[in-house]
Amino acid sequence: EIVVTQSPATLSLSPGERATLSCRASERVGTSLAWYQQKPGQAPRLLLYDAYTRATGIPVRFSGSGSGTDFTLTISSLEPEDSAIYFCLQRFSWPRTFGPGTKVEIK
Amino acid sequence: EVQLVQSGGGLVQPGGSLRLSCSASGFSANRFNMNWVRQFPGRELEWIAHMSKSGADILYANSVKGRFALSRDSVRNSVYLQMNKLRDEDTALYFCARDSQDAAGYYAFDIWGQGVQVTVSS
Repeated sequence: EIVVTQSPATLSLSPGERATLSCRASERVGTSLAWYQQKPGQAPRLLLYDAYTRATGIPVRFSGSGSGTDFTLTISSLEPEDSAIYFCLQRFSWPRTFGPGTKVEIK
Repeated sequence: EVQLVQSGGGLVQPGGSLRLSCSASGFSANRFNMNWVRQFPGRELEWIAHMSKSGADILYANSVKGRFALSRDSVRNSVYLQMNKLRDEDTALYFCARDSQDAAGYYAFDIWGQGVQVTVSS
């Protein structure tokens, strides 16, 4: 099973700042990685898949990079509504596995 | 509107059973792979089951294999998760998710149900 880790656990930034979230897989997964945003009481929302492809309707301030084992989600200029937990998911092999999430707090 | 609507959660005793339903609207569920994911109280997400659009391939996480079973009803445009021999550690919020393929051939869990709570406790 591929183990996925994320860092940092929590990120506290001000509106307008740049957020950089990391995701690391224990084995190479190519670009078979997706990012999700989850707000309290809601289901996860797809942000990016194939490491860097934005899902429909996702603002351009969200971008992804990486391949192999190391991936990054960047939020170029934080908005108050970006306060959420962000998860990555590898879908290179079974079982699919999620990272533990990074909580983004807006000051 | 394209959405998945879930039902069937609740409180059950250890060893008991529950069936979760996931009803699709705005699309045909049998044209997509469908998956189930659960979220534990500490926020950890766990993928637990996958059914291919043909229904020929069904996969389960080791944690639920032999206890949970996926099925589909094309007439009702729904998928189901039958959960048997439930344990305390199955307590979680359960989501169904559509696995969609884009024009370039890449897949993603793009549409999720609202989630239903399953609590296993005596």
